[in-house]
Order: sequence, then C-alpha cells, then structure tokens
Amino acid sequence: QSALTQPASVSGSPGQSITISCTGTSSDVGGYNYVSWYQQHPGKAPKLMIYDVSNRPSGVSNRFSGSKSGNTASLTISGLQAEDEADYYCSSYTSSSTPYVFGTGTKVTVL
Amino acid sequence: EVQLVQSGAEVKKPGESLKISCKGSGYSFTSYWIGWVRQMPGKGLEWMGIIYPGDSDTRYSPSFQGQVTISADKSISTAYLQWSSLKASDTAMYYCARKGIAAAGNYFDYWGQGTLVTVSS
Repeated sequence: QSALTQPASVSGSPGQSITISCTGTSSDVGGYNYVSWYQQHPGKAPKLMIYDVSNRPSGVSNRFSGSKSGNTASLTISGLQAEDEADYYCSSYTSSSTPYVFGTGTKVTVL
Repeated sequence: EVQLVQSGAEVKKPGESLKISCKGSGYSFTSYWIGWVRQMPGKGLEWMGIIYPGDSDTRYSPSFQGQVTISADKSISTAYLQWSSLKASDTAMYYCARKGIAAAGNYFDYWGQGTLVTVSS
C-alpha cells in the first residue's frame, strides 16, 4: 500500500486561504468517504482536524474544512493564522490489508 | 476525559527486546480499537497495526507484519507494542491512537504523547 500523495509544502500569508491536496486511488480515497486530516506541530502528537471527508471534531476551528472529488481529497484552511503553521497529514481507510494509509505530509508555512 | 498515556523513552542496543505501553482512561477501553503509528526522525506517519482490546483481534500493515507484535491487556486498559530483536532502523517515535467508535469510525480521535525509541550500539 503506497502512501497517499500530498504536496511537500504550502505557504500563505496571514488571512489568506490555502488548500492541501491528498491524492490516492479508487481503493482508498476514491472508494470511501473515510478521509481524515491531522495537524502535527513540532515535537507534538498529531491532532484530528477533519474526519469522514468534511466533518470537524468538537473544538476544531471552522476555518478548517475538507472536501473530496474522485481520488483526491482536500483540506482548506481559511483566514490563515500563525498558529496554523504545522505539518498536515491526510489518511484514508483502504481496501488493502493495511487497513489505513497516511499521506506523505505537507508542511504549511505562514509567511 | 479521554487519555492515552504512553510509557517513557527507551534507549536500547541492537538485538535487544522491548515492549512499550499505552494506557487508556476516561472511556470504555474494550469498545474502541487502538492503533500504533511510527514516525522516524524527520519523516512522516506510518500505520503499523491496530488491535481491538475487547477480543484482541489484531491487524498489521504488511510492512510491519512479523517485525512487531501488538497486544492488549483489557484488565488494566493497556495496549502494547513489542519487538523481539531491535534494529537501528527501529529508532523512531511511536504513537498509539484510539479509533473512532463502531465500524464506520475510520479516524483516530485521541492520541498518546508518543514514546521515543532509540536503538544504538
């Protein structure tokens, strides 16, 4: 099972919106509405930001939103803030034996 | 409050064995799957495997099958990850995480703080 493909880095200025893509196959991202997104600050454990493609857990800012089209899922951060600077990972349920797979990770930089 | 508390950092030599732990509290430990995730230095997250403490049903990523053993002791609400013979390449941070409830909860909502394993001669 190969990792899902994410851009290595994305940057934006405070207040702007950015979008991170997560590309898989019909066996994972495209086949199920089970894409989740995690935020990881340096030296910290990952934190769930989005689940089931577009749902936000309680306590997560509504500046974070998720969507999916075909084999590609996306995480959008609107009104970018300095505290959003972190690594972001997508994950999907997969029909392989794994049964989950992570994305390659994206470093978000706030300029 | 849901918490997953992992055991402390370990420094081991190649060939040694190791078992690290993840203790759950604040919820019904036997009702939620627990997964293990590896993060090598400066690298991304990798799924290793997952266990259902209620009946010890366990699934492994093919990359880790035969390399590690995942287990759980429901009497003390603790999941384990163990190695029988460590290699330098096992040096990494290891996280446990709780899977969402029920079969459709395919996300991990609570995470342990991580256990750093260093393997060096």
